[in-house]
Amino acid sequence: GNSVTQMEGPVTLSEEAFLTINCTYTATGYPSLFWYVQYPGEGLQLLLKATKADDKGSNKGFEATYRKETTSFHLEKGSVQVSDSAVYFCALTSNAGGTSYGKLTFGQGTILTVHP
Amino acid sequence: GAVVSQHPSWVICKSGTSVKIECRSLDFQATTMFWYRQFPKQSLMLMATSNEGSKATYEQGVEKDKFLINHASLTLSTLTVTSAHPEDSSFYICSARTAGSGNTIYFGEGSWLTVV
Repeated sequence: GNSVTQMEGPVTLSEEAFLTINCTYTATGYPSLFWYVQYPGEGLQLLLKATKADDKGSNKGFEATYRKETTSFHLEKGSVQVSDSAVYFCALTSNAGGTSYGKLTFGQGTILTVHP
Repeated sequence: GAVVSQHPSWVICKSGTSVKIECRSLDFQATTMFWYRQFPKQSLMLMATSNEGSKATYEQGVEKDKFLINHASLTLSTLTVTSAHPEDSSFYICSARTAGSGNTIYFGEGSWLTVV
């Protein structure tokens, strides 16, 4: 079955530091990959996505590249802000356009805290 | 843009009672919706796939008689937690998939359930 593994948290950084949150996956076929962010007490917001190998998703200074050869989708940001403090989830779904598309498998989440 | 709305945002109920959570797609038709559960400081686990006009498909280990899902229209799916117990207290969140090619997944804001 599908699985997603994220780096252990929590991650604590100073403002303007470089961020990397590792994510690797196991899936059959060619999944679509996502990063979601969850702020305290809120639901999920899509941060970025990539639907095929070598695609780079980007949003709000965050980037992640779909690496099929290493089955990875690591999240990076060059300079984090206090407002980036949240929980980040890596997720995948199989078969874009197929009937199972949308059934997301989530990683365990990584808590990010950014200090001024 | 597309919006998925959940109601109520939070609810407290007594043990043994039932509680219904609604998930609505506000400006698109969603033939398929998904229900997830999130325990505090943990990841999201898929509970079931809700299909308009047909029975929901439950994930292994999810009690279908306890978590009743109804998808009576193209814009509404409901999750009813029957005979709730304190261990059912959790964050429940739905997502909806747009139809057609390039379909996209949108999440609701989530519903906090506390059973006392």
